[in-house]
Amino acid sequence: EAQVTQNPRYLITVTGKKLTVTCSQNMNHEYMSWYRQDPGLGLRQIYYSMNVEVTDKGDVPEGYKVSRKEKRNFPLILESPSPNQTSLYFCASSPVLAGLEYFGPGTRLTVT
Amino acid sequence: GIQVEQSPPDLILQEGANSTLRCNFSDSVNNLQWFHQNPWGQLINLFYIPSGTKQNGRLSATTVATERYSLLYISSSQTTDSGVYFCAVKAGGGADGLTFGKGTHLIIQP
Repeated sequence: EAQVTQNPRYLITVTGKKLTVTCSQNMNHEYMSWYRQDPGLGLRQIYYSMNVEVTDKGDVPEGYKVSRKEKRNFPLILESPSPNQTSLYFCASSPVLAGLEYFGPGTRLTVT
Repeated sequence: GIQVEQSPPDLILQEGANSTLRCNFSDSVNNLQWFHQNPWGQLINLFYIPSGTKQNGRLSATTVATERYSLLYISSSQTTDSGVYFCAVKAGGGADGLTFGKGTHLIIQP
């Protein structure tokens, strides 16, 4: 089944404790991105990648890192999480830049 | 950047009613998608429709790219249709991600 998977789905952590949210797609898509969703602010893009080893900042990249070492994986790294990074995170992929974006199930992160 | 406006912001209907949700955007687009966010937070892809008309069961969508709007039609509403409906667009030429509207919160009452 064609899909985007994220892990973990739910995470409660403490300020400053490094964490990684994994994202994987099995559709051989070139374009991948991360979004966060916050009440009143909607969904905003954090980072995107147009292919292996090619990443760039989205609208809200501060406090996040990403890597794209393999085509299928695009992990989101929070090296020192803070409470303002409490949010619902989505990974997405598409075959081409303007193509249909497939979204993962979301990761609900709480930083205390 | 491109602006996306959705209307109405909230809509309460009885089961069986029909509804039309609107999405206006401020620039030409090469991607327009409609999503349904369910109560568990998952974003369900409804349509990829940068232009034209598509139908999927009780749902259909039309995008008039030259006039910069899209419509999502829901017929014979069911309580499971409740949730938030998002329109998201991507402007031509850039590598930026989708720009989402603020959504329409739909409540279908039994």
